[in-house]
Amino acid sequence: AQSVTQPDIHITVSEGASLELRCNYSYGATPYLFWYVQSPGQGLQLLLKYFSGDTLVQGIKGFEAEFKRSQSSFNLRKPSVHWSDAAEYFCAVGAAGGYQKVTFGTGTKLQVIP
Amino acid sequence: DAGVIQSPRHEVTEMGQEVTLRCKPISGHNSLFWYRQTMMRGLELLIYFNNNVPIDDSGMPEDRFSAKMPNASFSTLKIQPSEPRDSAVYFCASSFVSGENEQFFGPGTRLTVL
Repeated sequence: AQSVTQPDIHITVSEGASLELRCNYSYGATPYLFWYVQSPGQGLQLLLKYFSGDTLVQGIKGFEAEFKRSQSSFNLRKPSVHWSDAAEYFCAVGAAGGYQKVTFGTGTKLQVIP
Repeated sequence: DAGVIQSPRHEVTEMGQEVTLRCKPISGHNSLFWYRQTMMRGLELLIYFNNNVPIDDSGMPEDRFSAKMPNASFSTLKIQPSEPRDSAVYFCASSFVSGENEQFFGPGTRLTVL
């Protein structure tokens, strides 16, 4: 069975600082990997997705993530954080095939201080 | 496209009452998911459907919860009888080919059981 671990429950960064959110997955085959963002009072929105190809994936809002198979990781990064990036971020893993579910991590809450 | 539509957006009810949450997925999507989100337990997958058929309902907490998808454009999640511990935000999401593609989340229904 697939699983996702987000080791950081809460992270605080200063506006303008760089950001890295950690995600480790467990899956026997090549996974589909996702990062979602949830702003307060909203549903989840996709930031980016990886399945194959270039291991560095660009997403919306200036985010990127790097797939490292050897480390079973898919960390999310942003070079310079804006106050509007304060939200909760979820990593998720899916699988090929029409009847597979996507497993979400427990989320990381990002606080941005001025 | 209007996106995933959920109704009602807010529901306040008394313990013991029946609650029905509704979801209209994005047209053309063949997978539908119901999630529950609380501070204590995070985001939990309750049940998901592929082509209107329930595939995995192992996340449904107990027999008080039931979900149906009578056609490709409508799903319900029913709680009968409701209890205060059911208070949460319930999200519906849809996608095309469940394990591989982006899930589009609705705005959620905030349920409060008094």
